[in-house]
Amino acid sequence: KAGVTQTPRYLIKTRGQQVTLSCSPISGHRSVSWYQQTPGQGLQFLFEYFSETQRNKGNFPGRFSGRQFSNSRSEMNVSTLELGDSALYLCASSLAAGEETEAFFGQGTRLTVV
Amino acid sequence: AQSVTQLDSQVPVFEEAPVELRCNYSSSVSVYLFWYVQYPNQGLQLLLKYLSGSTLVESINGFEAEFNKSQTSFHLRKPSVHISDTAEYFCAVKGTGRRALTFGSGTRLQVQP
Repeated sequence: KAGVTQTPRYLIKTRGQQVTLSCSPISGHRSVSWYQQTPGQGLQFLFEYFSETQRNKGNFPGRFSGRQFSNSRSEMNVSTLELGDSALYLCASSLAAGEETEAFFGQGTRLTVV
Repeated sequence: AQSVTQLDSQVPVFEEAPVELRCNYSSSVSVYLFWYVQYPNQGLQLLLKYLSGSTLVESINGFEAEFNKSQTSFHLRKPSVHISDTAEYFCAVKGTGRRALTFGSGTRLQVQP
């Protein structure tokens, strides 16, 4: 069974631009969560989607947004990029949306903002 | 609200020695607890989890962790480490009724020959 696939793996953008990251969950998984990992702040929760609906959102500005499609694939978008948005963005998929369900992580997209 | 504290940012240890990575949590509700491992330039891999039942949980590669409710701890242990265990380890908590994982700041385990 294929794991969680994130594309692209690496990305370099300029301040002020916008970026879209993609995540394909494990087949059959309907819940997708996004996390940001930085050396200073560690791993922080961005948002979670289940059945195309955002179920939970972390404490990030409105420049960070996401969506989920009917096939459970998810995208996250960051507009008006800032230097501080440089991070590893991790996507995790779960079979369902319950708190007991195990989260499987992708390899991440490393975003560098210059 | 919930939080996780990993008391050691780095733990150097010699190969075949035992190791303990400490994790304490704080939560106003009951929790589920997890340990994840991250190798360089990789995502997170689930090492082990405590959902309910026996407070001692084990992974397939020799790690174990014990849930201690009174001390609000979930320390990770291995009796004999290998060079290949060198990685960053994250403790995480998910409160009942919560969907997001809250992670600790991570502990970098450095196994030396």
